[in-house]
Amino acid sequence: NAGVTQTPKFQVLKTGQSMTLQCAQDMNHNSMYWYRQDPGMGLRLIYYSASEGTTDKGEVPNGYNVSRLNKREFSLRLESAAPSQTSVYFCASSEREIEQFFGPGTRLTVL
Amino acid sequence: AQTVTQSQPEMSVQEAETVTLSCTYDTSESDYYLFWYKQPPSRQMILVIRQEAYKQQNATENRFSVNFQKAAKSFSLKISDSQLGDAAMYFCALSGGYQKVTFGIGTKLQVIP
Repeated sequence: NAGVTQTPKFQVLKTGQSMTLQCAQDMNHNSMYWYRQDPGMGLRLIYYSASEGTTDKGEVPNGYNVSRLNKREFSLRLESAAPSQTSVYFCASSEREIEQFFGPGTRLTVL
Repeated sequence: AQTVTQSQPEMSVQEAETVTLSCTYDTSESDYYLFWYKQPPSRQMILVIRQEAYKQQNATENRFSVNFQKAAKSFSLKISDSQLGDAAMYFCALSGGYQKVTFGIGTKLQVIP
């Protein structure tokens, strides 16, 4: 089992460009999450999906959109990247509140 | 809203010694889970230990144990016999209603040989 996978691992964008971060899990979890991690801020929730077909905003949703394509996949889209979106992005999945399983992260730099 | 506070940005410990990382939290939920996650330089988030709020007994996992004080809303992590591989960022986290997890800002642990 691969657990939670994320692509790409690294990305550099110019201001105004768009991109989609992909996430997939093979643990049959209902819930999936997108976080961003910034120095001194911990992990902050961008969006989450409690089940296939549903998505909800987290703490910092502005500038992002998500799609829960199916039970396995949960993508995060930046429509018009800004330097303030330079961060490390983590996808996670869970079944109930017991534990979240994290992907390896994507380091995104917006110039 | 739920909050998690880690007031120690950095800690250091001598190899083989014991260190305690502090965490306080606030939530209006009666049922919740508390976690400590470890993030080594590889960036991978790894669950260290989990505590269910309804359990009075403190969780332990080998060299890792917690001191859960529900009334004080305190959840500290004790690492015994510290090893070089324990050097990492440690995040305290709270899972309350609707499966939302709130993380603290982290404590960077240095292990001195």
